[in-house]
Amino acid sequence: GQSLEQPSEVTAVEGAIVQINCTYQTSGFYGLSWYQQHDGGAPTFLSYNGLDGLEETGRFSSFLSRSDSYGYLLLQELQMKDSASYFCAEAAGNKLTFGGGTRVLVKP
Amino acid sequence: DSGVTQTPKHLITATGQRVTLRCSPRSGDLSVYWYQQSLDQGLQFLIQYYNGEERAKGNILERFSAQQFPDLHSELNLSSLELGDSALYFCASSVASGQGDTGELFFGEGSRLTVL
Repeated sequence: GQSLEQPSEVTAVEGAIVQINCTYQTSGFYGLSWYQQHDGGAPTFLSYNGLDGLEETGRFSSFLSRSDSYGYLLLQELQMKDSASYFCAEAAGNKLTFGGGTRVLVKP
Repeated sequence: DSGVTQTPKHLITATGQRVTLRCSPRSGDLSVYWYQQSLDQGLQFLIQYYNGEERAKGNILERFSAQQFPDLHSELNLSSLELGDSALYFCASSVASGQGDTGELFFGEGSRLTVL
């Protein structure tokens, strides 16, 4: 089964804040990345956490807690264009393994 | 535009056939990764090459094989195709070998394979 767990779907309105949680279980873990994928498109890199704490990039922030094997992606001031799937991905060994993805639907 | 080029964009073929998907990484990137994404599914890691050598292997079927050539382009060969092989196949590239890097991969637009 998946070594990364994230919710399958989240719905929110424009301007709201959404937090997508991701838990992982792999040994040899280096860091956690987040990717965005619009329908029919290619995944694009959003952020990476190699150390514990918060990384902020504009409206998006990502957090990692190694002791809890947990991270999250925070989407603030949601816009319609943020409707997409969001994947957490763990870097372990030579692999980047993706979670199943969270579909975010932004409503007016 | 990520700088990663995949061909063909679309491919329709029959069960039992063999196809080859091609990927050109970003200029300067030494690592190439292949992922499979079935309808409404996540990205399943298949295989990674670094500077011509296989570096990591995921859930890649024995019917599938890949290689990275001296010019760093890569090919994914899918043989004895089955209906369940229909999927979007992504290639991605990165500068680093995968160990301890930032986890930033640059993805191509994918090759959509339909097996009838």
